Amino acid sequence: GAGVSQSPRYKVAKRGQDVALRCDPISGHVSLFWYQQALGQGPEFLTYFQNEAQLDKSGLPSDRFFAERPEGSVSTLKIQRTQQEDSAVYLCASSRRTGGNTGELFFGEGSRLTVL
Amino acid sequence: AQSVTQLDSQVPVFEEAPVELRCNYSSSVSVYLFWYVQYPNQGLQLLLKYLSGSTLVKGINGFEAEFNKSQTSFHLRKPSVHISDTAEYFCAVSGRGGADGLTFGKGTHLIIQP
Repeated sequence: GAGVSQSPRYKVAKRGQDVALRCDPISGHVSLFWYQQALGQGPEFLTYFQNEAQLDKSGLPSDRFFAERPEGSVSTLKIQRTQQEDSAVYLCASSRRTGGNTGELFFGEGSRLTVL
Repeated sequence: AQSVTQLDSQVPVFEEAPVELRCNYSSSVSVYLFWYVQYPNQGLQLLLKYLSGSTLVKGINGFEAEFNKSQTSFHLRKPSVHISDTAEYFCAVSGRGGADGLTFGKGTHLIIQP
């Protein structure tokens, strides 16, 4: 596709429900990042994939958070037993470079999760 | 590890006036520096970046930023703002080398007043 696509754009979950957020990166992009952006805050790093390999998951806040990218393209961020503090916008970004730390990250519009 | 401080959470400016959004960073290694813009209900978009070379970097939409190593700053400037510049602006840093992602500041909301 032309850009990074994320779905759903908005998700309301009851506390304790499981949710799955999808990211479709730009075709051919090697690197894929997930960020969490709480209200009024900057994005915070969650996890990084290079192709299908999850090279860094140090930012995942708890073992309720799980991410995968099985074929090196689409990625899913899963949150089990959601809590109110999980309410945030979840941003996905991709880059054609490995690491992505030269800043050439392309961001999706995000998935806004509200946990009641 | 790196950190970014954006001291101003909001900056109101009159249209056609100049603006400076401040960013300071902390890092134990050499860094790359970036400014991203987030328009309402849109994803983040890269405005400009400093990787090496000239410390004055020009970006899209008439923005520029200057890297000051001694002050550990990377302030964003525009000589004359337009109503369409109303957005959230994020400064970000990453360490040179390795596969780490970006560390973002908390953002500055630029409010353009007519």
